[in-house]
Amino acid sequence: KQEVTQIPAALSVPEGENLVLNCSFTDSAIYNLQWFRQDPGKGLTSLLLIQSSQREQTSGRLNASLDKSSGRSTLYIAASQPGDSATYLCAVIAPTGANNLFFGTGTRLTVIP
Amino acid sequence: NAGVTQTPKFQVLKTGQSMTLQCAQDMNHEYMSWYRQDPGMGLRLIHYSVGAGITDQGEVPNGYNVSRSTTEDFPLRLLSAAPSQTSVYFCASKLTGTSGAETQYFGPGTRLLVL
Repeated sequence: KQEVTQIPAALSVPEGENLVLNCSFTDSAIYNLQWFRQDPGKGLTSLLLIQSSQREQTSGRLNASLDKSSGRSTLYIAASQPGDSATYLCAVIAPTGANNLFFGTGTRLTVIP
Repeated sequence: NAGVTQTPKFQVLKTGQSMTLQCAQDMNHEYMSWYRQDPGMGLRLIHYSVGAGITDQGEVPNGYNVSRSTTEDFPLRLLSAAPSQTSVYFCASKLTGTSGAETQYFGPGTRLLVL
């Protein structure tokens, strides 16, 4: 059974700092991996989808990497801003069912002005 | 486009009551799904559908029923609510479910409290 873990569970950083969020998964037989952002009381917003053949994906200040063989992904946020405060979730896309998502428990990020 | 919409936003039930959580999307997506989110746990898949008339179980299907009579709607039914079903429920959709490269879009969630 696929298990997805995110460490740390919570993180506080001062504004302007660069930071890395970690995601690990137990079964490397995945298609792709997706990072989401969740604001309190809201739904999820997709940030980046990394295909297994790409290994890396960038969008603005965000950069996500994927290493299937080691079962790891990282989300790098450059020059953090208070507006980045949210919970970040990673999800692996499994080759079962209809490419369903298996989610990690999330990292709650607080960027202090 | 409204995207994925869910109603109600919040609901309180008594143990044993039944209710239906509504989900609709206007993006003509074939794939729709329901997740529940509990504190300290990731989102877990309850049921999913890859088109009208086709549904399948996810990781935690017990206590929930679904049907898909139209492309747009995918209601989730609780036949006899239990306190263990207290959770936040999210509906999501994506284009087909046949590709691992499709972005999934989420609704705003329904917060359910079962007393």
